[in-house]
Amino acid sequence: DTAVSQTPKYLVTQMGNDKSIKCEQNLGHDTMYWYKQDSKKFLKIMFSYNNKELIINETVPNRFSPKSPDKAHLNLHINSLELGDSAVYFCASRTGGGYGYTFGSGTRLTVV
Amino acid sequence: GQQLNQSPQSMFIQEGEDVSMNCTSSSIFNTWLWYKQDPGEGPVLLIALYKAGELTSNGRLTAQFGITRKDSFLNISASIPSDVGIYFCAGATSGTYKYIFGTGTRLKVLA
Repeated sequence: DTAVSQTPKYLVTQMGNDKSIKCEQNLGHDTMYWYKQDSKKFLKIMFSYNNKELIINETVPNRFSPKSPDKAHLNLHINSLELGDSAVYFCASRTGGGYGYTFGSGTRLTVV
Repeated sequence: GQQLNQSPQSMFIQEGEDVSMNCTSSSIFNTWLWYKQDPGEGPVLLIALYKAGELTSNGRLTAQFGITRKDSFLNISASIPSDVGIYFCAGATSGTYKYIFGTGTRLKVLA
């Protein structure tokens, strides 16, 4: 069973479109994250939810809106997509106590 | 945003050689993690370190939490072709929910 699953794996879309990426974890973790990995492989945190409550919101354009319907799901909606949004987006989750993240396998977003 | 510096940025090594890489920060961390990322996949946790000076092994991998709490080191002994990938360090301070990731070390193993 996949611990952190993201859909879709690949997403190609035109500039100006709106798209969503879904994430689900079956680990019973309380905290979920979205990270963006750029072409140089830098991993940068975007958002974090703890028990459906937003706890981290880094400097991310308002076009990006996370939504957590329950603690096992964290979705990312992106409005008015731009070329610079092209990247790999990773969902991750962790339990409390300072333990590390478990990452999903990523969603490669390409904006054309 | 804050980023951790990893060294070397990339390296080619012969199969069977030992590998060393490090990660440095301008801030003190309470937890250090080491991840490996294979192409097309998400990072996978290799080793977690929770105390200054701690030395922890996972098979052929050994990682250390630096005494100053501003650095960490990862060693891979007797490298094999499947060690190829990008190795990331990550650090966090206690009471925060987020880890800051390093710039990555790209490892390529020549058979």
